[in-house]
Amino acid sequence: AQSVTQLDSHVSVSEGTPVLLRCNYSSSYSPSLFWYVQHPNKGLQLLLKYTSAATLVKGINGFEAEFKKSETSFHLTKPSAHMSDAAEYFCVVSSGAGSYQLTFGKGTKLSVIP
Amino acid sequence: DGGITQSPKYLFRKEGQNVTLSCEQNLNHDAMYWYRQDPGQGLRLIYYSQIVNDFQKGDIAEGYSVSREKKESFPLTVTSAQKNPTAFYLCASSIALPRGTGLDTQYFGPGTRLTVL
Repeated sequence: AQSVTQLDSHVSVSEGTPVLLRCNYSSSYSPSLFWYVQHPNKGLQLLLKYTSAATLVKGINGFEAEFKKSETSFHLTKPSAHMSDAAEYFCVVSSGAGSYQLTFGKGTKLSVIP
Repeated sequence: DGGITQSPKYLFRKEGQNVTLSCEQNLNHDAMYWYRQDPGQGLRLIYYSQIVNDFQKGDIAEGYSVSREKKESFPLTVTSAQKNPTAFYLCASSIALPRGTGLDTQYFGPGTRLTVL
């Protein structure tokens, strides 16, 4: 069984300040982990993914995430928020046992204050 | 352009009607998926298909049906048996890799918002 917990349903930051979106997971297998972003009334866009090659994963638009097995965490960060980063972010885990077994977190809505 | 298209973008249904949501992909992916998104609940899997003419129920398949007659198409029918169909529906596709490889990135379409009147 696998699960994902996004620790904050809403995060608000000022433009130009760092972003931290927190995600904890549990999985019976060595997991693949993903972060997706969704702008209002749009589909999900892949930001980055972890598949055991390197614990620090760099994604698009300056985002990165660090896989910490001991803490079962996969937090998403960005050094400096931009207004266009305002969206909802989903942490997703796959058991790796089959591509259909994705479990989504409930999402974190990021607001960026000018 | 390669990608996933969903139509229509907005759909309105009267109670008791069946409606069909379209999903097409030109990525040459074997696997396709349908998700339902409700506010504050993330995405929940309705059905998935890893090969033509085969599909499996996901976590919330009741009241829905699908077909997979062509590799590029995976339409979803919301039947009158679905008691609360108002939601945002997302289609996705991926390469169908052998079990255990972990390389299972799913790519999403733009979604269809269904509202029951």
